[in-house]
Amino acid sequence: DAGVTQSPTHLIKTRGQQVTLRCSPKSGHDTVSWYQQALGQGPQFIFQYYEEEERQRGNFPDRFSGHQFPNYSSELNVNALLLGDSALYLCASSLDSSNQPQHFGDGTRLSIL
Amino acid sequence: AQSVTQLDSHVSVSEGTPVLLRCNYSSSYSPSLFWYVQHPNKGLQLLLKYTSAATLVKGINGFEAEFKKSETSFHLTKPSAHMSDAAEYFCVVSDHGGYNKLIFGAGTRLAVHP
Repeated sequence: DAGVTQSPTHLIKTRGQQVTLRCSPKSGHDTVSWYQQALGQGPQFIFQYYEEEERQRGNFPDRFSGHQFPNYSSELNVNALLLGDSALYLCASSLDSSNQPQHFGDGTRLSIL
Repeated sequence: AQSVTQLDSHVSVSEGTPVLLRCNYSSSYSPSLFWYVQHPNKGLQLLLKYTSAATLVKGINGFEAEFKKSETSFHLTKPSAHMSDAAEYFCVVSDHGGYNKLIFGAGTRLAVHP
């Protein structure tokens, strides 16, 4: 049973570019959340997708957008990249039920030059 | 609003000695609390969760945590540290009012010395 898978594992971009990160949830999970983890900090919630809709968003600008597909996989898009967007981006999946733990992928390390 | 505070940014122990990682929480609801571990260049692995059942929660790899409402604490312990326990540990509260959004503490880096 595959867990949460993310691609790519590493990515290098320059300021102003756009990037797309991908996530496949754990089998049986229908909810996908994205988190940004800057170096030396705890993860920060970006947004959550359920039934192909963004249903909650953290304190991130609208340069950050996403999508969920019918098979529950998800993408995170970031436009007009800034140096401060350098971070580990983590995808987590869960069942749409309170108290259900979220399962995390290994993340995508994004470096902005 | 929910929040968690991890009281130590770094903890250093010798192999075979007990581990204590401290966490205080703030929550308007009966909280769901978690401990996650992150090894270098890896994602987050769930160690254990508290969801209003038993106050003493047992997790993987010999870790356990005790929920103390009167102290608003959820400290993580292990009787005997192994070298493989060296990692970053996050105390996390679930925002029930917000579709189970996770709110992380700043993390505690655990070093284990031979």
